[in-house]
Amino acid sequence: AQTVTQSQPEMSVQEAETVTLSCTYDTSESDYYLFWYKQPPSRQMILVIRQEAYKQQNATENRFSVNFQKAAKSFSLKISDSQLGDAAMYFCAYRRNTDKLIFGTGTRLQVFP
Amino acid sequence: GAGVSQSPRYKVAKRGQDVALRCDPISGHVSLFWYQQALGQGPEFLTYFQNEAQLDKSGLPSDRFFAERPEGSVSTLKIQRTQQEDSAVYLCASLGGPSYEQYFGPGTRLTVT
Repeated sequence: AQTVTQSQPEMSVQEAETVTLSCTYDTSESDYYLFWYKQPPSRQMILVIRQEAYKQQNATENRFSVNFQKAAKSFSLKISDSQLGDAAMYFCAYRRNTDKLIFGTGTRLQVFP
Repeated sequence: GAGVSQSPRYKVAKRGQDVALRCDPISGHVSLFWYQQALGQGPEFLTYFQNEAQLDKSGLPSDRFFAERPEGSVSTLKIQRTQQEDSAVYLCASLGGPSYEQYFGPGTRLTVT
C-alpha cells in the first residue's frame, strides 16, 4: 500500500526567508502524481503545486518549488520569500492516475514578521 | 457556482442520531470523492463516485456510513447512529479541469456529543 510521511509536525520561518518542508512516500508504482496542498484555518484545501513522476524537471509555481527525488522517494517543498499569508497546514499527497489522494499527516507552518 | 460547496458547514449531533452531509461539485465534474479529516490529521479517503456509480467505498469505516450520488451530480454522505469517533471534518472534492485536479469544498465539521 502507498504511504506518505511528513516528519515535521511544525516549522517556522521569518518573513522574506526561505523554508523547506519534507515529505517521503512509498509506492511500487512507476507512474503517479505528487502534490502539496495548503489548508488555512478556514479549512479550504488549496493546491499549491503538483509533480508528475515521469517528469525529471522539478515543478515551480512562483515562490513555490519542489525537489523531487524519485529514486529516494522524496518530495520536498521550498517556499521562497515567505509571506504572512503562507502560514497554514501543508499536506503532501500522492495519487495514482485519477485515483484517490493519499495524504501525509501535515506540517504546520508559522511565519513570523 | 464556481467551486465545490458543502452543507451544512457545521453540524452537532447527539450520539445515536443520523446525519446527512451534502456536496455540490463543480458543474460538469464527473468524479467525486469524500474524505474524513480527524483533528490534527491529514484527510483520509472514504469513497469515490464516477457519475452515479460508486466505484470505490473501501475507506468507509463501518456500515453506518453510506454515500450516494443518484443523478451523477450532488452527493450525500449519510452517517447512521453517530458515534463520538465520527467527529471530524468531512471534505468533498470533485475532479476535473484542464489539469485534472481534485478541487475541494470547505468541509463540514461534525461534532458528536
